[in-house]
Amino acid sequence: DTGVSQDPRHKITKRGQNVTFRCDPISEHNRLYWYRQTLGQGPEFLTYFQNEAQLEKSRLLSDRFSAERPKGSFSTLEIQRTEQGDSAMYLCASGEGTNEKLFFGSGTQLSVL
Amino acid sequence: GEDVEQSLFLSVREGDSSVINCTYTDSSSTYLYWYKQEPGAGLQLLTYIFSNMDMKQDQRLTVLLNKKDKHLSLRIADTQTGDSAIYFCADSVGGYQKVTFGTGTKLQVIP
Repeated sequence: DTGVSQDPRHKITKRGQNVTFRCDPISEHNRLYWYRQTLGQGPEFLTYFQNEAQLEKSRLLSDRFSAERPKGSFSTLEIQRTEQGDSAMYLCASGEGTNEKLFFGSGTQLSVL
Repeated sequence: GEDVEQSLFLSVREGDSSVINCTYTDSSSTYLYWYKQEPGAGLQLLTYIFSNMDMKQDQRLTVLLNKKDKHLSLRIADTQTGDSAIYFCADSVGGYQKVTFGTGTKLQVIP
């Protein structure tokens, strides 16, 4: 068990470009979450998957954001036409069944110039 | 949950006890959590408590829950410099345990 891994750790992009992040949850974990954290704030919920089904999306998630988990294992989060306001740490977390524990990855730090 | 609030900053001397406080608004909260975040790192689950419990102790950590007042606290005994970090209170509601976080309390431990 290697924990939740996220790739890349850091991403610098120019405004208007598209970016994609990857999350590999702990194996056997069927629940997967994406959160966004800005400086001085707690993580904000973006979206949730149970297996391959996306069951909830936050109203914070604009149409430029899309997340997938095609085979119920790894997940990708894509941001199209990035804006400076998208600069943040994007965190992935996973959980098993109805277990109350949620395990976080180290995050992808996005900087939009 | 709905809203989770914490004070922003706490400074203590090494060896003293730290108490970090949190209030939440959602009476349906199922579990309440404390996470620790060190600079440049993700969140580490420290401890959690089920909503029908009043207290949980885990080594140097003691969690107290006052469900009537919707108040949660984390006490760290014998605080060490390695405890310096941001501590997030969080709650979860619902079957799939979506976790809502507070803004975090930055704990500074003075040697």
